[in-house]
Amino acid sequence: DSGVTQTPKHLITATGQRVTLRCSPRSGDLSVYWYQQSLDQGLQFLIQYYNGEERAKGNILERFSAQQFPDLHSELNLSSLELGDSALYFCASSLDSATNEKLFFGSGTQLSVL
Amino acid sequence: GENVEQHPSTLSVQEGDSAVIKCTYSDSASNYFPWYKQELGKGPQLIIDIRSNVGEKKDQRIAVTLNKTAKHFSLHITETQPEDSAVYFCAASFQGGKLIFGQGTELSVKP
Repeated sequence: DSGVTQTPKHLITATGQRVTLRCSPRSGDLSVYWYQQSLDQGLQFLIQYYNGEERAKGNILERFSAQQFPDLHSELNLSSLELGDSALYFCASSLDSATNEKLFFGSGTQLSVL
Repeated sequence: GENVEQHPSTLSVQEGDSAVIKCTYSDSASNYFPWYKQELGKGPQLIIDIRSNVGEKKDQRIAVTLNKTAKHFSLHITETQPEDSAVYFCAASFQGGKLIFGQGTELSVKP
């Protein structure tokens, strides 16, 4: 167990809908990262937050947004969903944002858009 | 651009043999290179990492080598066991706080 909790584990929804994925980092970790994993794209970096502030941005679509709350948990919001958004979404946490070292990953949320 | 290339995409070895996975990165300023192991139904787990001021690091049966000039780093697993079967990802740090992953290598260790 990595100590990173993601909910829900599975999510099935329809095109055009909006969903929210939740992540609780390891106790004491201030950084949260979101990654998308699909069969043909590998692990794609979406966004990173550190202590409530956006720290780095990757290939995140405009339809997607994220935030980190004062209690350090994070949510990834996906809207106007398309079939191609079906993927495994991982959250990871680390203590320090400066080095991106020692990321601990959750078990992921499997999103299926039908 | 920010890119990490990983080869091979699949690797099959006999138990007890060695396995080598190679990665190249695009930014000479990258200074941190971790390797992650992902088992079926689980998230990636860090197995070893190396910083740019070190050329080689070893942890039991696992070793990583780094060639900064060539922008190339490799994972070596010796005396492979069936439980080493998994998908392995390399990654490199890039400016702006990004950790970019390679495409993954599916390692199969046959008893």
